Amino acid sequence: SQTIHQWPATLVQPVGSPLSLECTVEGTSNPNLYWYRQAAGRGLQLLFYSVGIGQISSEVPQNLSASRPQDRQFILSSKKLLLSDSGFYLCAWGPNLNTEAFFGQGTRLTVV
Amino acid sequence: GESVGLHLPTLSVQEGDNSIINCAYSNSASDYFIWYKQESGKGPQFIIDIRSNMDKRQGQRVTVLLNKTVKHLSLQIAATQPGDSAVYFCAENRAGGTSYGKLTFGQGTILTVHP
Repeated sequence: SQTIHQWPATLVQPVGSPLSLECTVEGTSNPNLYWYRQAAGRGLQLLFYSVGIGQISSEVPQNLSASRPQDRQFILSSKKLLLSDSGFYLCAWGPNLNTEAFFGQGTRLTVV
Repeated sequence: GESVGLHLPTLSVQEGDNSIINCAYSNSASDYFIWYKQESGKGPQFIIDIRSNMDKRQGQRVTVLLNKTVKHLSLQIAATQPGDSAVYFCAENRAGGTSYGKLTFGQGTILTVHP
């Protein structure tokens, strides 16, 4: 069966520090991968999605970047965190184009 | 399209009542729709989906209705239980074009079930 792993679960980082959140998927190949951000009490904002290795689509201009160095690995990064980067970050994968996505448990990032 | 940045609407119901959660979408090219349930502090969980060649689909205690004419999607939960309390999101996926494979979420609705 397929599983998605996202870590860490919580993270407190100072302003100006770098960020690296990792997401891996097991049990499938060539998944669509997604990074979403969710502010407290708000909806899900699509940040990046990827349909293959090295293929990243960015949805909103921001302080973040994403990379997909391996088929089942998706990384969300920042060189210098801002206070506004705080939120709940969710990684998701989809088996094919035009299908549902399955979510990880999320990382709660607090920038202080 | 996405409605991020807005506070979520709420729906309060009594246990045993039926709940109807609504969602409007703006992309007429979307052809696949999904409802998710998100409990506090967790990632969204898939509930039910529907493709644009259907108007209605039923699952266990849930029914999704799709009205393509007015670009409206609804989730009906029968005999709502306290465990159904969560935030519910609709999502759309578009076939073809530059956004192929992009899953976009709607605003979300907070459902509270009172015993």
